[in-house]
Amino acid sequence: SAVISQKPSRDICQRGTSLTIQCQVDSQVTMMFWYRQQPGQSLTLIATANQGSEATYESGFVIDKFPISRPNLTFSTLTVSNMSPEDSSIYLCSVEDPSSGSSETQYFGPGTRLLVL
Amino acid sequence: LAKTTQPISMDSYEGQEVNITCSHNNIATNDYITWYQQFPSQGPRFIIQGYKTKVTNEVASLFIPADRKSSTLSLPRVSLSDTAVYYCLTVSGGYNKLIFGAGTRLAVHP
Repeated sequence: SAVISQKPSRDICQRGTSLTIQCQVDSQVTMMFWYRQQPGQSLTLIATANQGSEATYESGFVIDKFPISRPNLTFSTLTVSNMSPEDSSIYLCSVEDPSSGSSETQYFGPGTRLLVL
Repeated sequence: LAKTTQPISMDSYEGQEVNITCSHNNIATNDYITWYQQFPSQGPRFIIQGYKTKVTNEVASLFIPADRKSSTLSLPRVSLSDTAVYYCLTVSGGYNKLIFGAGTRLAVHP
């Protein structure tokens, strides 16, 4: 298993500003993932972040809006840039199973609850 | 990755067995069936995964018929703490993406 922490746990931001969310895992993992979950909705994958390479973004998500860093095997950041109220959501990171290296089973952080005014 | 369909919501009472069925008519040969559970204000948690027949762990059982076009998650003797959203996913072996559907919102009542 893996223990994942996210910072901040929640924030209220003004439109036009940016927020960087941190994800820390207690094991070294190759693959980390960022998801968005809007209130009452399911999860949507934003991007996959592998250490040592550029993040791979899903359709509808772009690097200019959601830049991602992956400096080492236990840490990643997601920045939500130039925020608007539509970015109000829960942002979650997840990692592959560190014991097997399988990403079929993923472990999720507690999420960062973002409200943009 | 096959599209999955499951009931939007279900209600149950403490002590009952709950069965949540998921259909995945277009499941590919190398896809696994995986279920996640999400409590309010938490990230999803892996429950169980199977390829065919029956899989059981300390949390749940997963029944998969021979044609693999559907699967049933069985929760024995639910308690109030089993109130959560349950997601059924198909995951390709070695493929890294999890595509979440709408999930089933299970409410367990006293």
